[in-house]
Amino acid sequence: QSVLTQPPSVSGAPGQTVNISCSGGKSDIGSNYVYWYRQFPGTAPRSLIYRSNQRPSGVPDRFSGSKSGTSASLAISGLRSEDEADYYCAAWDDSLRGVVFGGGTTLTVL
Amino acid sequence: EVQLVQSGAEVKKPGESLTISCKASGYIFTGYWISWVRQKPGKGLEWMGKIDPSASYSNYSPSFEGRVTISADKSVSTASLQWTNLKASDTAIYYCARHRGYYESVDFWGQGTLVTVAS
Repeated sequence: QSVLTQPPSVSGAPGQTVNISCSGGKSDIGSNYVYWYRQFPGTAPRSLIYRSNQRPSGVPDRFSGSKSGTSASLAISGLRSEDEADYYCAAWDDSLRGVVFGGGTTLTVL
Repeated sequence: EVQLVQSGAEVKKPGESLTISCKASGYIFTGYWISWVRQKPGKGLEWMGKIDPSASYSNYSPSFEGRVTISADKSVSTASLQWTNLKASDTAIYYCARHRGYYESVDFWGQGTLVTVAS
């Protein structure tokens, strides 16, 4: 059971916008930055959003992150078939003194 | 360019020992923590523990404390993950990953090392 809570799956049609939620607590999301990762089958995760709302170079602005209180959200606009992947949120946890992950969300583009 | 290059896939028997490695390049190795993350087949990501290479200080998730050892060798910019008594339940892909900053999550990931434990 993961510390951060994500929906197991989301879906959307090409061109639409989907949001993936990530819920935590005071010691993780409530106190620290949220990170988002994307993982294609058979490959390592890669950063999509860092420090809650920043995009690494090379990540298109179709991807955006936000955080409020103990929850965060990843928005993907202009959905494309190549966006199909697993998405994970993560944050530093002050109690654990380590990183906690969400259980992952599988995005399906209809 | 930041790179974390991990050692190759391993096949081991229960009870055997194993060390896998993660060689860092493209940044100052001692300036960033390194974590290890487990991913069992078809499952999500689990944080195992981290090391501060500047001091070789490591701490672990309670789920992994006593089961693995994380170490770092500054002279070759390499972090390692070690088991002394592998179990079939250790079968997974293991990723090393660099922290972006202190008390933050990770930003760069290694390519992963598949460890298979079977009799």
